[in-house]
Amino acid sequence: EVQLVESGGGLVQPGGSLKLSCAASGFSFSGATMHWVRQAPGKGLEWIGRIRSRANNFATTYAASMQGRFTISRDDSQTTAFLQLNSLAPEDTAVYYCARRPTTGTFRLDWGLGTLVTVSS
Amino acid sequence: QSVLTQPPSVSAAPGQEVTISCSGSDSNIGNNFVSWYQQLPGTAPKLLIYDDDERPSGIPDRFSGSKSGTSATLDITGLQTGDEADYYCGTWDSTLTAVVFGGGTTLTVL
Repeated sequence: EVQLVESGGGLVQPGGSLKLSCAASGFSFSGATMHWVRQAPGKGLEWIGRIRSRANNFATTYAASMQGRFTISRDDSQTTAFLQLNSLAPEDTAVYYCARRPTTGTFRLDWGLGTLVTVSS
Repeated sequence: QSVLTQPPSVSAAPGQEVTISCSGSDSNIGNNFVSWYQQLPGTAPKLLIYDDDERPSGIPDRFSGSKSGTSATLDITGLQTGDEADYYCGTWDSTLTAVVFGGGTTLTVL
């Protein structure tokens, strides 16, 4: 069974940073592309970016609006993906989800439970 | 403004059928697989349909997906009160090089 467990969320002041983790189990983590998606309170889903597998040189792609402040990384030995959030603003307050896409030949995202990030002074 | 367009809300009575549309363009739906997600209140999104019309194991056949051109559709038959949720379509956009989602549709089972 695919399991994705996010952690690292919490309350942070404007301008601060956080590093979120996504611990994966139940599938071949090294072959999967890992995505991050966020959802502001009462709003829809907003894609942040992805990191591909070693076979694809761990290539990263980000939504244009996220470029520069957010960084996605992974550690295949720990089967964990990470999302570094910098220069946070109140509008970054959201639940942050990680999701896996098993292969490039299919389009499906299997989701974690999410972790809440609150940016407030 | 979302890249993919969904109706904000739909409603129907228990036992009835409802259809949720998702409209895009050649750069996304027209040339890439579509998936659908169900988000029950206070929970994470859950995969319902992938690759336009495939159901993951455990998803009842009351849920079905289809695609024609640059539009996709989620069909739910035999509505139950437990189906009340937000539904999102999603796909890859080849021009934006990004995953794009619809704005979400809230289903109310009257």
